[in-house]
Amino acid sequence: GAVVSQHPSWVICKSGTSVKIECRSLDFQATTMFWYRQFPKQSLMLMATSNEGSKATYEQGVEKDKFLINHASLTLSTLTVTSAHPEDSSFYICSATVGVDSPLHFGNGTRLTVT
Amino acid sequence: AQSVTQLDSQVPVFEEAPVELRCNYSSSVSVYLFWYVQYPNQGLQLLLKYLSGSTLVKGINGFEAEFNKSQTSFHLRKPSVHISDTAEYFCAVSHTGGGNKLTFGTGTQLKVEL
Repeated sequence: GAVVSQHPSWVICKSGTSVKIECRSLDFQATTMFWYRQFPKQSLMLMATSNEGSKATYEQGVEKDKFLINHASLTLSTLTVTSAHPEDSSFYICSATVGVDSPLHFGNGTRLTVT
Repeated sequence: AQSVTQLDSQVPVFEEAPVELRCNYSSSVSVYLFWYVQYPNQGLQLLLKYLSGSTLVKGINGFEAEFNKSQTSFHLRKPSVHISDTAEYFCAVSHTGGGNKLTFGTGTQLKVEL
C-alpha cells in the first residue's frame, strides 16, 4: 500500500530557532500534500494545501511566513516552523494524495516541543 | 462550508461488547464521509468511507458505518470490540469535488476494558 514517511517523529528545539519537518511519499507520486496541526485531545486542523511546483495555499489564520511550506518534487514536501515559540508546540501531520478525490495517505506525525 | 460533530469525547466499553460512535455533519452541498482511527503518536488510518451508493459501508477491522442523509449522520459501529480497538476515532467530511480537503470532528476516544 501507499506509504507516507514523516521525519522526524519528534523534535525538541529552543525558542527562536527554526525546525524543518519532511513528508515523503515512498511509493507513489503525490501531486498534493496537506499539512495539519493537532493539539492534545483535539482534532486535526488543516494548515495548508501544498501542490507540487506551486505555492502552498494556507488556511485562514495560518501565518505563511511562520509556517513555510515547500513542495519541490512529487515525493517531498517540507514544513519549516520559523522562529519557533512554545505555543508552536504541537503534533504536526502530513497527508498525501495522487490527485483530486483520490485516497489520502497520512504520515505518522511529528511531535514538536519548543522550550 | 461543512462541519462535523462527534458528541461523545470518550466511550468506555467492555471487550466483546458492541459499540457505536456517533457522528453528525452539516453541509449545504453533497459530501463524502470518512472514519479514521489514530493510535497514540501516530498518523491517521482510514477505516471506511462513504462516497455514494449503498448507505451501509463496511470497513477494516470489522467496523461499519451507515450514512443517513435525513438525519445527517454517519455513525460507526462494531458488533464486538477488542482491546486493540482502543484508539481515537475521527469522523471527517469533504464536499464532493472538494479535492480531499477534509473537515474533521473533535474525535472520540474509545477505551476498551477487560
